[in-house]
Amino acid sequence: EAGVVQSPRYKIIEKKQPVAFWCNPISGHNTLYWYLQNLGQGPELLIRYENEEAVDDSQLPKDRFSAERLKGVDSTLKIQPAELGDSAVYLCASSHSTGGIHTDTQYFGPGTRLTVL
Amino acid sequence: AQKITQTQPGMFVQEKEAVTLDCTYDTSDPSYGLFWYKQPSSGEMIFLIYQGSYDQQNATEGRYSLNFQKARKSANLVISASQLGDSAMYFCAMIQTGTASKLTFGTGTRLQVTL
Repeated sequence: EAGVVQSPRYKIIEKKQPVAFWCNPISGHNTLYWYLQNLGQGPELLIRYENEEAVDDSQLPKDRFSAERLKGVDSTLKIQPAELGDSAVYLCASSHSTGGIHTDTQYFGPGTRLTVL
Repeated sequence: AQKITQTQPGMFVQEKEAVTLDCTYDTSDPSYGLFWYKQPSSGEMIFLIYQGSYDQQNATEGRYSLNFQKARKSANLVISASQLGDSAMYFCAMIQTGTASKLTFGTGTRLQVTL
């Protein structure tokens, strides 16, 4: 079974430029997560989707970050415009959440390492 | 608010020896889940083991076991018979059952396995 796929793996851009990351979750997983991981830190949740619906985007900086999961499968995370402080690893994860039980294991992709110059 | 603490920024262990990575947590929710993930230099977070707060027995997965002490709010990871490929960052994480569904991570422990 294929794991979570992310692209690109690495991205270098200049500040104020836009950037987009793509994620394809594990087949059949209805819940998709985007995490931000700064150097030397654990990942922090940016947004969580259940199917097409963003059910938790409280940590997403909405002035410059946006995300979508139009058909309830793959997802795109966008930053516009990028700032120097956005340099980090952006991780996508997915899980198969059933009913109201949310301890389903999250499986992660390899991440996109963003460098903003 | 839930919080995960990993007090060991780095650990060394000799090949074939066992090692314990510490994790303590803080939550007021009686229902929660605890996870350990491994992150090698390639960057992917690899799921290792899960322990539910109501599980009576400590979780085990191959060479990984979770020493769950609920009263002390600790969930230490034990790796037996360490291998060179175990060298990586290890993260402890917690999720609260219910609508929150937010996985909170600790700051990680870097494990280095030596010959």
